[in-house]
Amino acid sequence: GQNIDQPTEMTATEGAIVQINCTYQTSGFNGLFWYQQHAGEAPTFLSYNVLDGLEEKGRFSSFLSRSKGYSYLLLKELQMKDSASYLCAVTDSNYQLIWGAGTKLIIKP
Amino acid sequence: ETGVTQTPRHLVMGMTNKKSLKCEQHLGHNAMYWYKQSAKKPLELMFVYNFKEQTENNSVPSRFSPECPNSSHLFLHLHTLQPEDSALYLCASSPDGGGGADTQYFGPGTRLTVL
Repeated sequence: GQNIDQPTEMTATEGAIVQINCTYQTSGFNGLFWYQQHAGEAPTFLSYNVLDGLEEKGRFSSFLSRSKGYSYLLLKELQMKDSASYLCAVTDSNYQLIWGAGTKLIIKP
Repeated sequence: ETGVTQTPRHLVMGMTNKKSLKCEQHLGHNAMYWYKQSAKKPLELMFVYNFKEQTENNSVPSRFSPECPNSSHLFLHLHTLQPEDSALYLCASSPDGGGGADTQYFGPGTRLTVL
């Protein structure tokens, strides 16, 4: 079966750095997405990786290793507004989007 | 108005009621999606419409009935729901309805409670 694994919950301190991991087992691979979802709001697109390596966008970076079936989202200089759930999703060989259950990130002052 | 909008934002209904959820996208996209989001579970894809044609129906119970009159509007008609159908229902749209980089944009969702 197809599976996306990510931690259920993480806690970090304001101003610090946090890394949210995502591992996947899917039938084929056509890209990996990260979304941010604040409580009661829409998921919003953060990043897309299809090639190995690190993509940086301001305070957020996303890394992919296709050979390891692994990605992480790195958040630097954490702010209270970064408290949210972070969803990992993979496009499989049929171009279906397979979703993880999300990681709830709690930022403490 | 921009992006993807959904109405109503909150809905409480009894098991014998009939109601409809509405989604509208102002992005000029060709594909629209309905998802169910339950606590601590992955998003569950319910229906996909590509150029107004339904392309996916992931074994969704018939008490959920989608309608896509044009590429900008999507409805989810609900009837005789069960309490376990209580969840957040998200609508999304994407430019192409396929392809690895086809990014989905979501509406804020309808929080549905079935009594």
